[in-house]
Order: sequence, then structure tokens, then C-alpha cells
Amino acid sequence: SYDLTQPPSVSVSPGQTASITCSGDKLGDKYVCWYQQKPGQSPVLVIFQDIKRPSGIPERFSGSNSGNSATLTISGTQAMDEADYYCQAWDNSTAIFGTGTTVTVL
Amino acid sequence: QVQLVESGGGVVQPGRSLRLSCEASGFTFSTAGLNWVRQAPGKGLEWVAVISYDATQKFYADSVKGRFTISRDNSKNTLSLQMNSLRAEDTAMYFCARDNPYCINNNCYFPGAIDVWGQGTMVTVSS
Repeated sequence: SYDLTQPPSVSVSPGQTASITCSGDKLGDKYVCWYQQKPGQSPVLVIFQDIKRPSGIPERFSGSNSGNSATLTISGTQAMDEADYYCQAWDNSTAIFGTGTTVTVL
Repeated sequence: QVQLVESGGGVVQPGRSLRLSCEASGFTFSTAGLNWVRQAPGKGLEWVAVISYDATQKFYADSVKGRFTISRDNSKNTLSLQMNSLRAEDTAMYFCARDNPYCINNNCYFPGAIDVWGQGTMVTVSS
């Protein structure tokens, strides 16, 4: 089966840059999405097709994907960005979610 | 606005069945693929199944294959998940979520991004 691995946690100071990695075999050959989930809420799509932002998602969210890893970058992190983040890709018509990363804004 | 509202969750004994529903509004239901995604308490997201806009394509996670069936009624804007032979490990919040195909140079590919999520319905499998 295909696995996507993320670091369990990332800490960042307000205004600084947070980077979350997602690792998987030849992940660069697939499209990656990123989802933000705050406690008690449903996930929200923040990046799709590796680099695209849905309408309403702030420009401080950006993505990249090549080789065996994808990265979600949050520039100028704000307190409201504190949440769990999941990467996701399709493998043989099966959606695979990453293990999830908790971003803490200290 | 685009909205997905799940219902049908509850407490059920192991081995029994349950049927979840998802009512959609605010978009053209008959042209959209749809997913079920679940999340066990305190755990990460787990994809369950996806169905194409016309129900000709259905895909399942290995963990539910042969026990769960995804279906849709485009005349009623409703998505369903029939869950049979339920197990304790099926205990989770179940989310209905819309698929948004990846489009490149006017060619679109299903399945794509999961772009709209409902609030979820809780399923607890316990004796």
C-alpha cells in the first residue's frame, strides 16, 4: 500500500514561516492536496494540484511537489493558522491521506 | 452557498448495518463526484469511498471493500453509504465531501481535489 508520511508537529513563531513536508514514493508524479483542520471542525482545502489555492485561501499558503516529497509553506504565520494539516494524493484510484501535522504558533 | 449535510449516524452493535445519507445544495449535484471520508476519535483522516457524477465509477478503501456500498440519487441530490458487518474499528465521524476534478488544458480527471466537506455524522460501533 502507498503511504504518506508527515512530521507529527511543527512549531512556529508568529510572523515566521512554517514548512510541512509530506513524503511518499515518487510523490512528485502525483498531484497533492493539503487540508487544514481546526479542533471540532471539518477539514478545509488549502492547496490543490500541488500549488493552486482555492478562492478565499490567503496567499500566505503555498505548495510545492517534486521527487519524493511535497511541502506546504505558510509565510507570515498567524495565530489563526494553528491547526492540523494533512496532505493527500491519489494512488490507483484510492485516496491516501498523510499522517497529519499539528502546527503550533508559539 | 455550497452545503453538504450528513445524517444517519448513531450507535450500532458490531455486525449490524447502518445507512448514512448526505444531502447536497448550492451546486449542480448531478455533475459532481462525491466522497466519504472518516475520522476516528483523536485520529487522522481516512478516505472511505468515492463515486463519479453518474455512478459509473466507484472506488473503495481496502478496509471497507465488500462491506460498504456508496450510491447516489441525482434526482434527490443525495449521496448514501450503506455500511454492513460493522466493526468497532469503523467507529468514526463520517464526512461527505465533494470531488473537484483536476483539469489541465481543458482535460479533466476524476477523482481530483476534495474541495467541500460536510460537518459529519458520528458512527459508534459498540455492544
